[in-house]
Amino acid sequence: DVKVTQSSRYLVKRTGEKVFLECVQDMDHENMFWYRQDPGLGLRLIYFSYDVKMKEKGDIPEGYSVSREKKERFSLILESASTNQTSMYLCASTAPSMNTEAFFGQGTRLTVV
Amino acid sequence: AQSVSQHNHHVILSEAASLELGCNYSYGGTVNLFWYVQYPGQHLQLLLKYFSGDPLVKGIKGFEAEFIKSKFSFNLRKPSVQWSDTAEYFCVHFGNEKLTFGTGTRLTIIP
Repeated sequence: DVKVTQSSRYLVKRTGEKVFLECVQDMDHENMFWYRQDPGLGLRLIYFSYDVKMKEKGDIPEGYSVSREKKERFSLILESASTNQTSMYLCASTAPSMNTEAFFGQGTRLTVV
Repeated sequence: AQSVSQHNHHVILSEAASLELGCNYSYGGTVNLFWYVQYPGQHLQLLLKYFSGDPLVKGIKGFEAEFIKSKFSFNLRKPSVQWSDTAEYFCVHFGNEKLTFGTGTRLTIIP
């Protein structure tokens, strides 16, 4: 029944480290998304991808990059982690059809110290 | 750019009270609207969705939502809430390959 899997539930990293968050989906979805969730701010879109090797900036891409080398995997990269990137990170995927719903991973709580 | 507004940030109700959570969207194209719920410590789950047809849609756990095109609204309702409805609720729009979330409404039900 598992559909979207994020590699870690909890991560603690040091300031300046390069951080990789991995997301894998098993539904053959074209669209994948990375969000961060912060209290009072809801979910804010960082990056999304609508096909392999394609990526689009979301609303808050600064300090992040992404990689989509295979259809099922979408990686979020923090080039040089900072304390203001401490957050809950959520991955989602959807099919391209408009008549679809999104499926979410369980989230990765990242703490940058 | 598309956006979704949820005006209620925190709602506190007693059990058996009726619930209505507001959601307004701004997008001129095809409308695809969802309500998702996040129970404490759990991942996001779909409550209901609207793509076309009957503007009153029914979801799981007794929730329903009404799409009113003239008001750009998609409010979530439940006639009688339970303590187990304590959660955060998100209104979401899907368009141009992009999922846009509202800021969420935290619902606290007092037994």
